[in-house]
Amino acid sequence: GAVVSQHPSRVICKSGTSVKIECRSLDFQATTMFWYRQFPKKSLMLMATSNEGSKATYEQGVEKDKFLINHASLTLSTLTVTSAHPEDSSFYICSARVSVAGVSRYEQYFGPGTRLTVT
Amino acid sequence: DAKTTQPTSMDCAEGRAANLPCNHSTISGNEYVYWYRQIHSQGPQYIIHGLKNNETNEMASLIITEDRKSSTLILPHATLRDTAVYYCIVRVVNSGNTPLVFGKGTRLSVIA
Repeated sequence: GAVVSQHPSRVICKSGTSVKIECRSLDFQATTMFWYRQFPKKSLMLMATSNEGSKATYEQGVEKDKFLINHASLTLSTLTVTSAHPEDSSFYICSARVSVAGVSRYEQYFGPGTRLTVT
Repeated sequence: DAKTTQPTSMDCAEGRAANLPCNHSTISGNEYVYWYRQIHSQGPQYIIHGLKNNETNEMASLIITEDRKSSTLILPHATLRDTAVYYCIVRVVNSGNTPLVFGKGTRLSVIA
């Protein structure tokens, strides 16, 4: 159990276009999801915390107008990279906390990641 | 969350035990020790966690010192597929929204 999927697994887009990445909790509900970014040979950096039905909370230095997060249901969160540039090329990973009766538990499960390349 | 210190990299011969140390000298009484690993180009994978007692599951063992200022993750019989970056994280276990915060981890290379 506790499987998190991401789609697409990799995407190549042209500079200036927008890309949407989906994160789904397949067999559990997730009130809270997190989005991380990872550059080559670096650790995961938290970008934002997404709560179902409310606005995401962004970490310092992450542009909320560039990285649009929508968490419209208890099993789906999306990250849209708007007007992508080559420096946005990275490995994006989502993570979900298991919710029981609407309360997030401490277990945190990760998706397989999405590799974005902006040309 | 308290800060952790891990060696940058380690090598281990295939079939031997891999012992990965982690220092967390500023850990608080209500903080757990978590271990995750990340195989190249994949999402992090949960391994094990503990508070103060030693823990064992099908993947690994976690040995926490009595003063809780350090711990060791033990992979009893390392295989080539265990080559990954291993992250030691300390965090309070609650029902809030606090996410896992990753440090630099230890890059373990299992050598045939």
